Amino acid sequence: DTGVSQDPRHKITKRGQNVTFRCDPISEHNRLYWYRQTLGQGPEFLTYFQNEAQLEKSRLLSDRFSAERPKGSFSTLEIQRTEQGDSAMYLCASSPDRSRGYTFGSGTRLTVV
Amino acid sequence: AQSVTQPDIHITVSEGASLELRCNYSYGATPYLFWYVQSPGQGLQLLLKYFSGDTLVQGIKGFEAEFKRSQSSFNLRKPSVHWSDAAEYFCAVGAGNMLTFGGGTRLMVKP
Repeated sequence: DTGVSQDPRHKITKRGQNVTFRCDPISEHNRLYWYRQTLGQGPEFLTYFQNEAQLEKSRLLSDRFSAERPKGSFSTLEIQRTEQGDSAMYLCASSPDRSRGYTFGSGTRLTVV
Repeated sequence: AQSVTQPDIHITVSEGASLELRCNYSYGATPYLFWYVQSPGQGLQLLLKYFSGDTLVQGIKGFEAEFKRSQSSFNLRKPSVHWSDAAEYFCAVGAGNMLTFGGGTRLMVKP
């Protein structure tokens, strides 16, 4: 069990560019979550996968955001046409069961300049 | 919809002193409740959780929390704080397929 891995750790991009983040959950966890955390705030839910199915999306997830988990293993989160307001820490978490709590990765910090 | 309030944004305690971090939640049913800790630039680590049963739960690093339904609270406690406990602490309520987090409490520890 190597924990939840996220790549890259940091990303600086120019406004208007597209970015993609990757998350590798704990292998036996079928539930995968994406959260966004801005400075001084608690994490906010973005989306949830059970295996490869995206079962829930927050209204925070605008049309510019898309997430996939093609084979029920790793997941990607893409942001198109980035805006300065997208600057945040993007956290991935996985869980075998919602009662057990989530294991979070170290996050990807996005800075849009 | 569920919500979590952590009334204290910052708390400073002396090393060796006791600690209590407050958490109040709003949720219509019996919630799952969690406390997480986050060091600067890092992800969140689970300290403890309440699912059902005994309302006093023990966690890692010497932390405990007590669920009080009548007060809609889930306060985190530690009898003696260590300098390494300095971090941001988040309370969260689990409802459906998501966790809703409070705004966090930043703990500073004086030597």
